[in-house]
Amino acid sequence: KNQVEQSPQSLIILEGKNCTLQCNYTVSPFSNLRWYKQDTGRGPVSLTIMTFSENTKSNGRYTATLDADTKQSSLHITASQLSDSASYICVAASFMTTDSWGKLQFGAGTQVVVTP
Amino acid sequence: NAGVTQTPKFQVLKTGQSMTLQCAQDMNHNSMYWYRQDPGMGLRLIYYSASEGTTDKGEVPNGYNVSRLNKREFSLRLESAAPSQTSVYFCASSEREGAQDHYEQYFGPGTRLTVT
Repeated sequence: KNQVEQSPQSLIILEGKNCTLQCNYTVSPFSNLRWYKQDTGRGPVSLTIMTFSENTKSNGRYTATLDADTKQSSLHITASQLSDSASYICVAASFMTTDSWGKLQFGAGTQVVVTP
Repeated sequence: NAGVTQTPKFQVLKTGQSMTLQCAQDMNHNSMYWYRQDPGMGLRLIYYSASEGTTDKGEVPNGYNVSRLNKREFSLRLESAAPSQTSVYFCASSEREGAQDHYEQYFGPGTRLTVT
């Protein structure tokens, strides 16, 4: 079972409108939560990384929130642009203190289409 | 500064053929990774190299081998390709990963592989 669930699977929004993407995770122990943007035919690009002590983080028109108690995160896109059309991937990181390597669990992504 | 580069971009193989996917990074990163991305699923880790000279299995290593040739290069080999290995393969690198660390991963553009 995937430890990172994203919703919705896809959405269509009008240019200039806002939208919010959801992410629920169950990884344990939890270290940090990441959001990536993946354009069609390209590799993912990091938008934000938040540790369990951070509630919100912004990157331009992208604002991520994290509730480590409920294990939920959201990504809010403000004043969407055509270039925001992409897949947005939520990633939960889990690190064991005795490991030199941690595990990243990737969600399947939310496909966002911004229309004129 | 090209970041992470991958070759080839596209490849079609027949079942049983072998091939090597090449990856190089110019950011002097210690850690490198190979992922596969399948429709409707999150990225899954095949192999990783925490530092030069070390490699370890990820979540889905069967049917693959890797070589960390030097600090810059990390190759992925399919010895006997199977249709189940049809996927998009991404190489990534990061400064390092470990407990309490959360350096972001930088992804290459991907290799789209079809096995018939």
